[in-house]
Amino acid sequence: DAGVIQSPRHEVTEMGQEVTLRCKLISGHNSLFWYRQTMMRGLELLIYFNNNVPIDDSGMPEDRFSAKMPNASFSTLKIQPSEPRDSAVYFCASSFGRNQPQHFGDGTRLSIL
Amino acid sequence: AQSVTQLDSQVPVFEEAPVELRCNYSSSVSVYLFWYVQYPNQGLQLLLKYLSGSTLVKGINGFEAEFNKSQTSFHLRKPSVHISDTAEYFCAVIQRQGGADGLTFGKGTHLIIQP
Repeated sequence: DAGVIQSPRHEVTEMGQEVTLRCKLISGHNSLFWYRQTMMRGLELLIYFNNNVPIDDSGMPEDRFSAKMPNASFSTLKIQPSEPRDSAVYFCASSFGRNQPQHFGDGTRLSIL
Repeated sequence: AQSVTQLDSQVPVFEEAPVELRCNYSSSVSVYLFWYVQYPNQGLQLLLKYLSGSTLVKGINGFEAEFNKSQTSFHLRKPSVHISDTAEYFCAVIQRQGGADGLTFGKGTHLIIQP
Protein backbone atom coordinates (compact mmCIF):
# COMPACT_ATOMS: atom_id res chain seq x y z
CA ASP A 1 0.00 0.00 0.00
CA ALA A 2 1.63 3.26 -1.11
CA GLY A 3 2.18 5.91 1.51
CA VAL A 4 2.03 9.67 1.10
CA ILE A 5 4.10 10.61 -1.92
CA GLN A 6 5.78 13.99 -2.20
CA SER A 7 7.66 15.47 -5.11
CA PRO A 8 10.22 16.69 -5.70
CA ARG A 9 12.43 15.33 -2.91
CA HIS A 10 14.84 18.21 -3.30
CA GLU A 11 14.50 21.60 -4.94
CA VAL A 12 17.12 24.30 -5.27
CA THR A 13 16.11 27.53 -6.93
CA GLU A 14 16.90 31.20 -7.01
CA MET A 15 15.10 33.84 -5.03
CA GLY A 16 12.06 35.19 -6.83
CA GLN A 17 11.23 31.98 -8.67
CA GLU A 18 7.94 30.16 -8.30
CA VAL A 19 8.11 26.87 -6.43
CA THR A 20 5.46 24.14 -6.54
CA LEU A 21 5.48 21.24 -4.13
CA ARG A 22 3.26 18.24 -4.75
CA CYS A 23 1.61 15.67 -2.55
CA LYS A 24 -0.41 12.53 -3.21
CA LEU A 25 -2.52 11.34 -0.30
CA ILE A 26 -3.01 7.78 0.84
CA SER A 27 -6.06 6.34 -0.87
CA GLY A 28 -9.15 6.73 1.32
CA HIS A 29 -7.75 9.48 3.52
CA ASN A 30 -9.81 12.66 3.64
CA SER A 31 -7.59 14.99 5.67
CA LEU A 32 -4.47 16.63 4.29
CA PHE A 33 -1.89 18.65 6.20
CA TRP A 34 1.08 20.70 5.02
CA TYR A 35 3.90 21.26 7.56
CA ARG A 36 7.18 23.15 7.42
CA GLN A 37 10.23 22.04 9.40
CA THR A 38 13.16 24.30 10.24
CA MET A 39 15.87 24.14 12.86
CA MET A 40 14.70 27.37 14.45
CA ARG A 41 10.96 26.77 14.57
CA GLY A 42 10.63 23.00 14.44
CA LEU A 43 7.51 21.58 12.80
CA GLU A 44 4.78 24.09 11.98
CA LEU A 45 1.36 23.40 10.53
CA LEU A 46 0.79 25.56 7.46
CA ILE A 47 -2.65 24.50 6.27
CA TYR A 48 -5.20 21.75 6.75
CA PHE A 49 -7.79 20.43 4.27
CA ASN A 50 -10.72 18.20 5.03
CA ASN A 51 -12.62 16.64 2.13
CA ASN A 52 -10.76 18.93 -0.30
CA VAL A 53 -11.82 22.07 1.56
CA PRO A 54 -9.23 24.29 3.31
CA ILE A 55 -10.26 24.40 6.96
CA ASP A 56 -7.43 26.23 8.69
CA ASP A 57 -4.77 28.22 6.83
CA SER A 58 -3.72 30.38 9.76
CA GLY A 59 -0.25 28.89 9.62
CA MET A 60 0.44 30.04 6.08
CA PRO A 61 3.21 32.61 6.50
CA GLU A 62 2.00 35.19 4.02
CA ASP A 63 0.26 35.73 0.71
CA ARG A 64 3.22 34.35 -1.19
CA PHE A 65 2.11 30.90 -0.04
CA SER A 66 -0.93 29.16 -1.48
CA ALA A 67 -2.22 25.61 -1.35
CA LYS A 68 -4.80 23.80 -3.39
CA MET A 69 -6.47 20.45 -3.46
CA PRO A 70 -7.88 19.97 -6.94
CA ASN A 71 -9.13 16.48 -6.15
CA ALA A 72 -9.41 14.09 -3.24
CA SER A 73 -5.99 12.55 -3.71
CA PHE A 74 -3.67 15.39 -4.68
CA SER A 75 -2.48 18.71 -3.30
CA THR A 76 0.00 21.42 -4.23
CA LEU A 77 1.77 24.03 -2.15
CA LYS A 78 3.00 27.01 -4.14
CA ILE A 79 5.40 29.77 -3.16
CA GLN A 80 5.53 32.80 -5.43
CA PRO A 81 7.86 34.63 -5.29
CA SER A 82 10.21 32.51 -3.21
CA GLU A 83 12.63 34.00 -0.68
CA PRO A 84 15.73 32.57 1.08
CA ARG A 85 13.83 32.43 4.39
CA ASP A 86 11.45 29.93 2.81
CA SER A 87 14.25 27.35 2.82
CA ALA A 88 13.04 24.40 4.87
CA VAL A 89 11.77 20.85 4.62
CA TYR A 90 8.10 20.78 3.69
CA PHE A 91 6.06 17.76 4.73
CA CYS A 92 2.67 16.62 3.60
CA ALA A 93 0.62 14.28 5.80
CA SER A 94 -2.75 12.63 5.41
CA SER A 95 -5.18 10.91 7.73
CA PHE A 96 -8.68 9.55 7.86
CA GLY A 97 -10.19 12.24 10.06
CA ARG A 98 -8.57 15.19 11.79
CA ASN A 99 -7.62 13.45 15.02
CA GLN A 100 -6.51 10.13 13.61
CA PRO A 101 -2.81 9.34 13.25
CA GLN A 102 -1.24 11.20 10.38
CA HIS A 103 0.94 9.52 7.79
CA PHE A 104 3.79 11.64 6.53
CA GLY A 105 5.55 11.80 3.20
CA ASP A 106 9.34 11.89 3.02
CA GLY A 107 9.30 15.67 2.57
CA THR A 108 10.65 18.14 0.07
CA ARG A 109 13.93 19.81 1.00
CA LEU A 110 13.68 23.32 -0.41
CA SER A 111 16.67 25.62 -0.74
CA ILE A 112 16.15 29.17 -1.99
CA LEU A 113 19.42 30.85 -2.96
CA ALA B 1 -4.41 26.50 22.34
CA GLN B 2 -2.06 23.71 23.29
CA SER B 3 1.70 23.42 23.52
CA VAL B 4 4.23 20.61 23.82
CA THR B 5 7.54 20.77 25.65
CA GLN B 6 10.35 18.34 25.07
CA LEU B 7 12.92 19.41 27.61
CA ASP B 8 15.86 17.49 26.16
CA SER B 9 17.10 18.49 22.74
CA GLN B 10 19.63 15.64 22.75
CA VAL B 11 19.85 12.42 24.72
CA PRO B 12 23.02 10.31 24.38
CA VAL B 13 22.66 6.71 25.53
CA PHE B 14 24.86 3.64 25.31
CA GLU B 15 23.60 0.73 23.26
CA GLU B 16 21.43 -1.74 25.22
CA ALA B 17 20.82 0.81 27.97
CA PRO B 18 17.29 2.01 28.82
CA VAL B 19 16.09 5.42 27.71
CA GLU B 20 13.32 7.84 28.58
CA LEU B 21 12.42 10.82 26.39
CA ARG B 22 10.35 13.39 28.23
CA CYS B 23 7.27 15.13 26.93
CA ASN B 24 4.98 17.53 28.76
CA TYR B 25 1.97 19.22 27.25
CA SER B 26 -0.31 22.09 28.10
CA SER B 27 -3.93 22.24 27.03
CA SER B 28 -7.17 23.56 28.45
CA VAL B 29 -9.10 20.63 26.97
CA SER B 30 -8.60 16.91 26.52
CA VAL B 31 -6.06 15.86 23.93
CA TYR B 32 -4.88 12.90 21.96
CA LEU B 33 -1.15 12.25 22.22
CA PHE B 34 1.35 10.88 19.74
CA TRP B 35 5.02 10.06 19.42
CA TYR B 36 6.63 10.20 16.00
CA VAL B 37 10.16 9.19 14.92
CA GLN B 38 12.09 10.82 12.11
CA TYR B 39 15.09 9.07 10.60
CA PRO B 40 17.58 11.17 8.61
CA ASN B 41 16.17 12.52 5.35
CA GLN B 42 12.82 10.86 5.93
CA GLY B 43 9.36 11.90 6.97
CA LEU B 44 7.81 11.24 10.34
CA GLN B 45 6.60 7.77 11.27
CA LEU B 46 4.07 7.11 13.98
CA LEU B 47 5.58 5.26 16.95
CA LEU B 48 2.52 5.11 19.16
CA LYS B 49 -0.60 6.98 20.12
CA TYR B 50 -2.86 7.52 23.11
CA LEU B 51 -6.51 8.07 22.26
CA SER B 52 -8.27 6.52 25.26
CA GLY B 53 -8.21 3.49 27.54
CA SER B 54 -5.08 2.16 29.22
CA THR B 55 -2.60 4.90 30.00
CA LEU B 56 0.32 2.66 29.08
CA VAL B 57 0.55 2.33 25.34
CA LYS B 58 2.92 0.16 23.39
CA GLY B 59 4.24 1.08 19.98
CA ILE B 60 6.54 -0.21 17.31
CA ASN B 61 10.21 -1.07 17.75
CA GLY B 62 9.78 -1.89 21.45
CA PHE B 63 8.83 1.63 22.54
CA GLU B 64 6.13 2.42 25.05
CA ALA B 65 4.74 5.57 26.62
CA GLU B 66 2.64 6.37 29.64
CA PHE B 67 -0.01 9.06 29.75
CA ASN B 68 -0.10 10.85 33.09
CA LYS B 69 -3.00 13.26 33.20
CA SER B 70 -2.15 14.82 36.57
CA GLN B 71 1.39 15.60 35.44
CA THR B 72 0.33 16.35 31.84
CA SER B 73 3.13 14.12 30.63
CA PHE B 74 3.55 11.47 27.97
CA HIS B 75 7.11 10.19 28.37
CA LEU B 76 8.52 7.70 25.88
CA ARG B 77 10.57 4.73 27.10
CA LYS B 78 12.49 1.78 25.78
CA PRO B 79 14.17 -0.78 28.06
CA SER B 80 17.11 -1.49 25.75
CA VAL B 81 18.09 0.68 22.79
CA HIS B 82 19.79 -0.30 19.58
CA ILE B 83 22.03 1.65 17.21
CA SER B 84 19.14 1.74 14.74
CA ASP B 85 17.09 3.79 17.23
CA THR B 86 19.27 6.82 16.52
CA ALA B 87 16.78 9.38 15.23
CA GLU B 88 14.77 12.48 16.09
CA TYR B 89 11.69 11.87 18.24
CA PHE B 90 8.71 14.19 18.31
CA CYS B 91 5.89 14.33 20.80
CA ALA B 92 2.62 15.78 19.46
CA VAL B 93 -0.89 16.54 20.64
CA ILE B 94 -4.21 17.40 19.08
CA GLN B 95 -7.38 18.52 20.80
CA ARG B 96 -10.07 15.87 21.01
CA GLN B 97 -12.78 18.26 19.90
CA GLY B 98 -12.76 21.63 18.25
CA GLY B 99 -9.76 23.89 18.44
CA ALA B 100 -6.97 24.21 15.95
CA ASP B 101 -6.62 21.44 13.45
CA GLY B 102 -3.42 19.57 12.87
CA LEU B 103 -0.87 18.32 15.31
CA THR B 104 1.07 20.57 17.66
CA PHE B 105 4.62 19.25 17.86
CA GLY B 106 7.37 19.57 20.41
CA LYS B 107 10.79 20.73 19.24
CA GLY B 108 12.04 17.17 19.08
CA THR B 109 14.65 15.13 20.95
CA HIS B 110 17.66 13.75 19.13
CA LEU B 111 18.39 10.28 20.48
CA ILE B 112 22.04 9.39 19.99
CA ILE B 113 22.99 5.77 20.57
CA GLN B 114 26.64 5.23 21.41
CA PRO B 115 28.26 1.82 20.85
